[in-house]
Amino acid sequence: DTEVTQTPKHLVMGMTNKKSLKCEQHMGHRAMYWYKQKAKKPPELMFVYSYEKLSINESVPSRFSPECPNSSLLNLHLHALQPEDSALYLCASSQDRGLTGGVSGYTFGSGTRLTVV
Amino acid sequence: AQSVTQPDIHITVSEGASLELRCNYSYGATPYLFWYVQSPGQGLQLLLKYFSGDTLVQGIKGFEAEFKRSQSSFNLRKPSVHWSDAAEYFCAVGARSSGDKLTFGTGTRLAVRP
Repeated sequence: DTEVTQTPKHLVMGMTNKKSLKCEQHMGHRAMYWYKQKAKKPPELMFVYSYEKLSINESVPSRFSPECPNSSLLNLHLHALQPEDSALYLCASSQDRGLTGGVSGYTFGSGTRLTVV
Repeated sequence: AQSVTQPDIHITVSEGASLELRCNYSYGATPYLFWYVQSPGQGLQLLLKYFSGDTLVQGIKGFEAEFKRSQSSFNLRKPSVHWSDAAEYFCAVGARSSGDKLTFGTGTRLAVRP
């Protein structure tokens, strides 16, 4: 298995809702990442997990709460989001935490398209 | 701090023509350099990377890139473009000494004329 699987592919939520994004990989990668990508913009790093521990939080608002229950799974819990949080949320994994990602670099999922109404 | 510039926002080429996408980086030491491709609504796929060694790097889908330290460039090339190459291309730079941050350029959108 050489994929990063993200669910759901699309999500529409109200500003008072609580929802979660899920990311899964079975490549034995020990680093996992959340990126946010607005339309026609490059991805922006949100969080980095290394060996199931949070190692980087890019000053992301607390309405985004990451969780790494085990080495294969990464969640992003969403609560009280704003319309400006609408974006494509990308998960990625790599062999280790270094941003070179080891010899294989990062593997990205296809993303969750989030719309906040 | 490291940065990367992709001067071309949008490029259109004819199918079968050659392609060169420009990428310039700013970093004091030798950076780690990457090219990723993103099809509409999809995630990013790694095309190729440069860490050290041979400055001409071969990637997937017939792409190659050349690291030129004197010009701080890492341009992506393909000798003959296919219609399926139409996508957004991102150059990225990373370095362990800068906190392991991977910084993306703003992207170049490639359109392919039949």
